[in-house]
Amino acid sequence: ETGVTQTPRHLVMGMTNKKSLKCEQHLGHNAMYWYKQSAKKPLELMFVYNFKEQTENNSVPSRFSPECPNSSHLFLHLHTLQPEDSALYLCASSQVGIRETQYFGPGTRLLVL
Amino acid sequence: DQQVKQNSPSLSVQEGRISILNCDYTNSMFDYFLWYKKYPAEGPTFLISISSIKDKNEDGRFTVFLNKSAKHLSLHIVPSQPGDSAVYFCAASAPSGSARQLTFGSGTQLTVLP
Repeated sequence: ETGVTQTPRHLVMGMTNKKSLKCEQHLGHNAMYWYKQSAKKPLELMFVYNFKEQTENNSVPSRFSPECPNSSHLFLHLHTLQPEDSALYLCASSQVGIRETQYFGPGTRLLVL
Repeated sequence: DQQVKQNSPSLSVQEGRISILNCDYTNSMFDYFLWYKKYPAEGPTFLISISSIKDKNEDGRFTVFLNKSAKHLSLHIVPSQPGDSAVYFCAASAPSGSARQLTFGSGTQLTVLP
């Protein structure tokens, strides 16, 4: 595997379900990110992890719970989501530095019924 | 208030011609700018970047221009090819004591007509 991978690619869940999204980066980076992309809106940053420590939580509801066990893996745990949470969830990674470039995974398309 | 704006939601260009995508920003602390390309149902793919110490960066058919006084950057694609049809996002970041955060524009859908 190369780059940034995400599983599952598609997910349908009910509002009472609990599910997790997984991200893995194979680039040797030390920062990882979760983004949400809703239709016709800019990418919204949700969480930032730098050296496994969460450094940013952009006012994300507690029904989204991130976990970063090491610098290569990132999870997003989902519970009691709402239909408006349906979106494309993207993971990215970067090497912290002056000219820092984020590389994205393919995303998980989430539908909440 | 959006700090990074792409005012043209769509652009159509004939194959072989130049595509020019524009982006404006308001935060004078931004010092690193990137362009990403995105196909439907895929994640954004990094294309090209430019640091604020430069005003031009070129990579093959792609050139990014930065005008700091106008807080404006543009991406030129020459010649345009049908495979370039995608949504293009510009993004910007400012210095940080930790991992940098990217602020994205809303994207421009480029369609290259054969």
